[in-house]
Amino acid sequence: AQRVTQPEKLLSVFKGAPVELKCNYSYSGSPELFWYVQYSRQRLQLLLRHISRESIKGFTADLNKGETSFHLKKPFAQEEDSAMYYCALNDGNEKLTFGTGTRLTIIP
Amino acid sequence: KAGVTQTPRYLIKTRGQQVTLSCSPISGHRSVSWYQQTPGQGLQFLFEYFSETQRNKGNFPGRFSGRQFSNSRSEMNVSTLELGDSALYLCASSLGQAQYEQYFGPGTRLTVT
Repeated sequence: AQRVTQPEKLLSVFKGAPVELKCNYSYSGSPELFWYVQYSRQRLQLLLRHISRESIKGFTADLNKGETSFHLKKPFAQEEDSAMYYCALNDGNEKLTFGTGTRLTIIP
Repeated sequence: KAGVTQTPRYLIKTRGQQVTLSCSPISGHRSVSWYQQTPGQGLQFLFEYFSETQRNKGNFPGRFSGRQFSNSRSEMNVSTLELGDSALYLCASSLGQAQYEQYFGPGTRLTVT
């Protein structure tokens, strides 16, 4: 069975500092990986997906199949980045398996 | 276009009762998935419907059931409610293939007393 691990429940970073949110997965096939974000009082929304290889709001994530990781990175944190971040894996059957989430707080 | 809507937004029920939650997907989306979110277990997949058929199911007891109508609207039912069923229930819709984004609704907050 697939599994997604986000080792950090809480992460605090100073404004302007680099951010890295860790995500590791276990899955025997070729996964579709996503990062979802939930800002305060807003619904869960897609931040980015590995298949599109795009940068959203300055965030990027690279799929490393060797290390089974999909870490989320941003070179310079902004205060509006404070939110709950979830890494998720789709096994091809429209079933998203989520990590437990990391609450990112940007310190002004 | 309008986003995913869920009704009701809040619900309080008593142990042993049953409850029905509703989800209206984004127009054109044929897949509707349901998730349970709790502080202890996080986000857990309940089931997914596509064109009125349950296509995927998570590891929840049979008290949790769902259905999808021809207009893609979906309902989720929980029978014989337990205190542990208190959670935020999220619905998400998509075009129905793995690489497509799932769009989430605001959720229904269910409290069982």
